[in-house]
Amino acid sequence: AQTVTQSQPEMSVQEAETVTLSCTYDTSESDYYLFWYKQPPSRQMILVIRQEAYKQQNATENRFSVNFQKAAKSFSLKISDSQLGDAAMYFCARSRATGNKLTFGGGTRVLVKP
Amino acid sequence: DARVTQTPRHKVTEMGQEVTMRCQPILGHNTVFWYRQTMMQGLELLAYFRNRAPLDDSGMPKDRFSAEMPDATLATLKIQPSEPRDSAVYFCASGPPGGYGYTFGSGTRLTVV
Repeated sequence: AQTVTQSQPEMSVQEAETVTLSCTYDTSESDYYLFWYKQPPSRQMILVIRQEAYKQQNATENRFSVNFQKAAKSFSLKISDSQLGDAAMYFCARSRATGNKLTFGGGTRVLVKP
Repeated sequence: DARVTQTPRHKVTEMGQEVTMRCQPILGHNTVFWYRQTMMQGLELLAYFRNRAPLDDSGMPKDRFSAEMPDATLATLKIQPSEPRDSAVYFCASGPPGGYGYTFGSGTRLTVV
């Protein structure tokens, strides 16, 4: 089975500081897609950032950036200048190709301390 | 912003009753997914459709669950009969042709008592 692993059940960060969430995955394919989704208490799943495996450049979306290490099958998310609104569950996910199903990790809860 | 609409948002039902959850994907999206979220199992894929045709429903208990797309604007997930272990949040998500990264609905929280 193709798995996605998030080894940190919970991370705590001070407001305005930086936190990094880890994600590793298992795949035998060379082309695939990686995602980070945010789920706040409202339970809405919100796409934060995405990365195509064939691109070497790490994706960035405002305060969110990834460190994609293809050989190591690692896809970490960095949240810079953390804000109270960043408090949520964060899920790493992978799909084999465009329009294909997502396989999710178990999630990491991020707590932001004022 | 375009959104995926799921109804109902909450549903409490008695064991043995039929439950139907509905999803309106974003107009123009041709891929629709149903996921179930529980504390124990996390997010699991139940079924997904492309151009209204089922592509994978291997994650769905076939004896009690069924998923359909009567037309491009409606996807349904039905449980008959429902059991307490079906209590979960059910998400629908849709994606555009050739695109990646999907938009999720707000989910239906189902409680079977």
